[in-house]
Amino acid sequence: DTGVSQNPRHKITKRGQNVTFRCDPISEHNRLYWYRQTLGQGPEFLTYFQNEAQLEKSRLLSDRFSAERPKGSFSTLEIQRTEQGDSAMYLCASSLGGMGEKLFFGSGTQLSVL
Amino acid sequence: RKEVEQDPGPFNVPEGATVAFNCTYSNSASQSFFWYRQDCRKEPKLLMSVYSSGNEDGRFTAQLNRASQYISLLIRDSKLSDSATYLCVVNMLVGGGADGLTFGKGTHLIIQP
Repeated sequence: DTGVSQNPRHKITKRGQNVTFRCDPISEHNRLYWYRQTLGQGPEFLTYFQNEAQLEKSRLLSDRFSAERPKGSFSTLEIQRTEQGDSAMYLCASSLGGMGEKLFFGSGTQLSVL
Repeated sequence: RKEVEQDPGPFNVPEGATVAFNCTYSNSASQSFFWYRQDCRKEPKLLMSVYSSGNEDGRFTAQLNRASQYISLLIRDSKLSDSATYLCVVNMLVGGGADGLTFGKGTHLIIQP
């Protein structure tokens, strides 16, 4: 399978715990994005990487959130001290970049914070 | 004013009918436009880009109206499998940077047999 892969698919955690998600993009794509989506809303941009460099972070991304892409391949998104409001689908996408760039999404990680 | 607005629906349409919905955007300098499709509990998938002159892909036609700042999607001869949420995506940045991709909330379409 050469698509974008995310794991885990589902994560249930208790408030205050830390969680980490992983994303493996399409291998030839140099851009990688993280989005968050809640029910009835469109995906909201969190952050993106050009190769290993994190180029932009949304104001939605509080200091409890951190993302890395250490070798320009897979990426991790960590949420520290989770809150109930963090419950959402976390989507990863990759692209080749450029104007009119097309995003290819992974299946997402559904986070439930109890 | 929200950046990308869509009528959330749902649009209930009989199979075989034609359906159209619009999406308005706030930044007149927006450069690129897309329609994505999202099935229930699935990830969004690109349906089609929207070009200035309008474009067609099979039963789907996308139009861009820069003067009125909206894009449209028309589906002809609708199929049951067209039932999904259709997300309007606009790149709000003049330079087309990746962080400028803004998604609407989506329009929910239900095709009824």
